[in-house]
Amino acid sequence: DAKTTQPPSMDCAEGRAANLPCNHSTISGNEYVYWYRQIHSQGPQYIIHGLKNNETNEMASLIITEDRKSSTLILPHATLRDTAVYYCIVRSGGSQGNLIFGKGTKLSVKP
Amino acid sequence: DTAVSQTPKYLVTQMGNDKSIKCEQNLGHDTMYWYKQDSKKFLKIMFSYNNKELIINETVPNRFSPKSPDKAHLNLHINSLELGDSAVYFCASSFRQGASNEQFFGPGTRLTVL
Repeated sequence: DAKTTQPPSMDCAEGRAANLPCNHSTISGNEYVYWYRQIHSQGPQYIIHGLKNNETNEMASLIITEDRKSSTLILPHATLRDTAVYYCIVRSGGSQGNLIFGKGTKLSVKP
Repeated sequence: DTAVSQTPKYLVTQMGNDKSIKCEQNLGHDTMYWYKQDSKKFLKIMFSYNNKELIINETVPNRFSPKSPDKAHLNLHINSLELGDSAVYFCASSFRQGASNEQFFGPGTRLTVL
């Protein structure tokens, strides 16, 4: 599976959009981009995933560049409860299902 | 109506003991997993089961033995506990294997070995 690079930490003001970047320059054609988050002392929570097209759900939007070498997770109106570690993960289409978690980005939403 | 549940939430025990952690999912998923999160917060896959059959067994000591009595349950038994086994253990499930299927995680079991 391709590796990802994320900034170790970011701050965001409450009510503003949080834009979390992820580089995955070695991504292959059949690899998906996944985002999970882990709020303190809880299990990881699935947010969104995509292959080529941008995706949106009730939690977030995922913007994948045309060359697929990077992506951005957007939380449109961050709240204090969005404070968490956000993981960007790339998984191959032939993967047996295991997620390989990196260090993620610690997002702190501040009032 | 918890999707993935684990028991116990906390487990404190002495070195050398044998303990089990239970996991149940009510999502009708075919695949279940065990992950370990150590003190440095790195989260790593340990095992993956698909329809009660072991699919993935990462480099985990054979003191760790997963047991899947049915598709909805994947228990983790640990023999001869060591200090280094102290960690948070997460169970997860997905509809099936493969990269297009998201995994749902349980709340975790914090194991402390004294």
